[in-house]
Amino acid sequence: TQTVSQSDAHVTVFEGDSVELRCNYSYGGSIYLSWYIQHHGRGLQFLLKYYSGNPVVQGVNGFEAEFSKSDSSFHLRKASVHWSDSAVYFCAVSARGSALGRLHFGAGTQLIVIP
Amino acid sequence: AQTIHQWPVAEIKAVGSPLSLGCTIKGKSSPNLYWYWQATGGTLQQLFYSITVGQVESVVQLNLSASRPKDDQFILSTEKLLLSHSGFYLCAWSLDEDTGQLYFGEGSKLTVL
Repeated sequence: TQTVSQSDAHVTVFEGDSVELRCNYSYGGSIYLSWYIQHHGRGLQFLLKYYSGNPVVQGVNGFEAEFSKSDSSFHLRKASVHWSDSAVYFCAVSARGSALGRLHFGAGTQLIVIP
Repeated sequence: AQTIHQWPVAEIKAVGSPLSLGCTIKGKSSPNLYWYWQATGGTLQQLFYSITVGQVESVVQLNLSASRPKDDQFILSTEKLLLSHSGFYLCAWSLDEDTGQLYFGEGSKLTVL
């Protein structure tokens, strides 16, 4: 059974601060890990994904995430946030070669950036 | 460039009434298509997926059905709405069923009263 845990429901930071949004997963096989952003009332937008290789992956708008097999984590980071980064961020995992495109999403973390 | 369009943007419907939500993808032939449901402030639950015209697989049973009448069209429907159907419905497509990367539409907000 795949599970995705985002331990922080809300994270509040000031504009210009760095931020880390945490994601832990549980799955025994080969997986894809990804992050999506959802602005209020909008659809989800893909930020980045990890498949293999370099554990640090770069995404759009200055976001990056680091995969750790030992910690079963895939945390999202940004060095300097902008007020427009305020949104809900979802971590997702999918098993390679399994049910088609079936992403298991975490509960989401709402990022609030104070200008 | 590929585009995905969902309609309607929002609906307010009565319990027991029918529903039809649509999704069209342009610029990509034979995409894999998905319907997701999101409760207000909640996570996403996959409902259906389709890899080809006329073929739809159900992931969860929520008294909803889906159809793919054309290569670029995915329809979500029910004959009788329940209060629990309220939420945000998202259509998505992927280049390949194994990438873990989906492209989502802007969603349809459904309120059932």
